[in-house]
Formats: sequence, C-alpha cells, structure tokens
Amino acid sequence: EAQVTQNPRYLITVTGKKLTVTCSQNMNHEYMSWYRQDPGLGLRQIYYSMNVEVTDKGDVPEGYKVSRKEKRNFPLILESPSPNQTSLYFCASNVIAPRVTDTQYFGPGTRLTVL
Amino acid sequence: AQTVTQSQPEMSVQEAETVTLSCTYDTSESDYYLFWYKQPPSRQMILVIRQEAYKQQNATENRFSVNFQKAAKSFSLKISDSQLGDAAMYFCAYRSPNSGNTPLVFGKGTRLSVIA
Repeated sequence: EAQVTQNPRYLITVTGKKLTVTCSQNMNHEYMSWYRQDPGLGLRQIYYSMNVEVTDKGDVPEGYKVSRKEKRNFPLILESPSPNQTSLYFCASNVIAPRVTDTQYFGPGTRLTVL
Repeated sequence: AQTVTQSQPEMSVQEAETVTLSCTYDTSESDYYLFWYKQPPSRQMILVIRQEAYKQQNATENRFSVNFQKAAKSFSLKISDSQLGDAAMYFCAYRSPNSGNTPLVFGKGTRLSVIA
C-alpha cells in the first residue's frame, strides 16, 4: 500500500530537549516536504527536499532542521524545541514531473506539545 | 506569491442536503492546480478532489464537485447528499506547475458540520 508514515504520532516534551520526527514514504517520490498546522493559519511549509542530499527552507524554517540521506526518509529535527513549536506536523511527498497533477500524499500527522 | 482565501470559517448543512464551500485565490500564473482536502477529527489530510487550471471541465468525484471559475479565480466545492461522515475541516489549496519547490498553498479552512 502506497503510504507516508510518521513517528511518533503524539509527543509531549520539554523545552530544549532535542527530538526527531521521522517520515518515510514507499512510493519512490523525489519530493518530500514538512508542514506545520496551527489554528487559524492553515498549513505552512517548513522545509522541503527535491531529492537525496537536496534540501531547502520553506516559509517557516526557524528552529528546525532536516536531512535527506535516503530517498524514502525525511526526518524533521528540533534541536532545542520551544513552546511556540507546539503544533500538528505533516510530512508529504510526491513525484516531480512538470505539468503532472500529482497529488501530495500526506502522512497521518504528529501532534507535538512542548512544555 | 499565491494566496488562497476561504471566507467561511464555519458552515453547517442538514443531512442529505447540498452545501457549497467557497474558495478564492490570487495568482499571476496561467497554469496551476487546485485541490480540496478534507481533515476529519482523526487529523488525516485526505484529498477530496483536484482540478487542473487548463481544463475547462469541472472535476467531479461522486458526491463532490467543483465550480471552477478561472477568470474570477474562484474554486468552490459542492457536496451533494451530505452525510454525517462529511463533517470535517475542509482546506482549499493551490499548487504551481513548476518543477521546483511546489508546496501546497492552503487556505485557513472551513469547518463543516452535518446535522442529522
């Protein structure tokens, strides 16, 4: 089954304690992306990756890091989480093909609370 | 930069009735893609329907259809024969056709309630 998986689904942590949210897709997609969802703001892109070892900032990258060592995995790293990073996080992936209406496949989401 | 506006924070509909959710967008591109995503209480993002801007025919998926008005930059979602399972947050989203970074640009969402 084609899917994007994220772990953990729920996480409560404390300020400053480094954490990683994993994301994996089994569709051989080149493009992967992280979004955060906050009430009244919709979803906003944090970071994206066009392929292995190619990553770049989205609209709200401050406080986050990513890596893309393998095509299927795109972890989101919070080196020193702060309460304003409490949010719902989504990983998404799709193929890169101009003029192709390819859907972005979303993971199930990770609810992060930073105390 | 593109923007997506959903002017209805909340809507409600009687079961079996029809409801239309509004979405407008702003872009200078002539070719692009539009999507409606559903987010039920489980928080999963589920694709409902998508539309290519170069296609004049409105997309339909079973009980879901869109009214795509390119000149007006409007992309509304019509849900027919509403069911209790349709209750969710609905997001309208825009995507550029470029082969570079093409994130979805989301509206702020419309919360739909279905009344039995």
